[in-house]
Amino acid sequence: QSVLTQPSSASGPPGQRVTFSCSGSSSNIGSNYVYWYQQLPGTAPKLLIYRNNQRPSGVPDRFSGSKSGTSASLAISGLRSEDEADYYCAAWDDSLSGPVFGGGTKLTVL
Amino acid sequence: QVQLQESGPGLVKPSETLSLSCTVSAGSISPDYWSWVRQPPGKGLEWIGYIYYSGNTNYNPSLKSRVTISVDTSKNQFYLKLSSVIAADTAVYYCARGREAAALDYWGQGTLVTVSS
Repeated sequence: QSVLTQPSSASGPPGQRVTFSCSGSSSNIGSNYVYWYQQLPGTAPKLLIYRNNQRPSGVPDRFSGSKSGTSASLAISGLRSEDEADYYCAAWDDSLSGPVFGGGTKLTVL
Repeated sequence: QVQLQESGPGLVKPSETLSLSCTVSAGSISPDYWSWVRQPPGKGLEWIGYIYYSGNTNYNPSLKSRVTISVDTSKNQFYLKLSSVIAADTAVYYCARGREAAALDYWGQGTLVTVSS
């Protein structure tokens, strides 16, 4: 049981816009930054979004993040086949005094 | 660009201690959060803990009684020890660096550790 809640799956055809949700509480998302990771099959996670909506160098602007209250969202526009991966949200949790992850959303590009 | 590489036994017997090393190359153990994260087969990510370069540590409360993370800056390595392992500790173990505790921007490739007799 993950501290942050994500839907288990999402899908969309190439070119479409897809969004992922991440729900938490006042001790994590509600009071701290949100981070998003992309994990391609068989590889290590990659930091996709930091501090709610910032992209590390090299991450395309097709990826965007937002936060409102105790929830956050990741959006991917212009979906591509190479975006097929697992996506995890994360945040610092004040109660745990450490980072917590969501259970991950598996994206299928139809 | 910083590179991280995990190393250690791929098979550990139940009740024994899992020991892994993470070697940092193309860089050094800088003032950052040097972390361990694990992923059981087919499941999500779990934060194990981190060590700040100064030696301060922070562990997941669910593992705290069994975890020790240490660093050797002279060797550009940091380490994970997990004692009294059980089958549920079977996972891919990743080492990672973060400029913030939850912002892990460099990861090792991961190493699968199986707990079995």
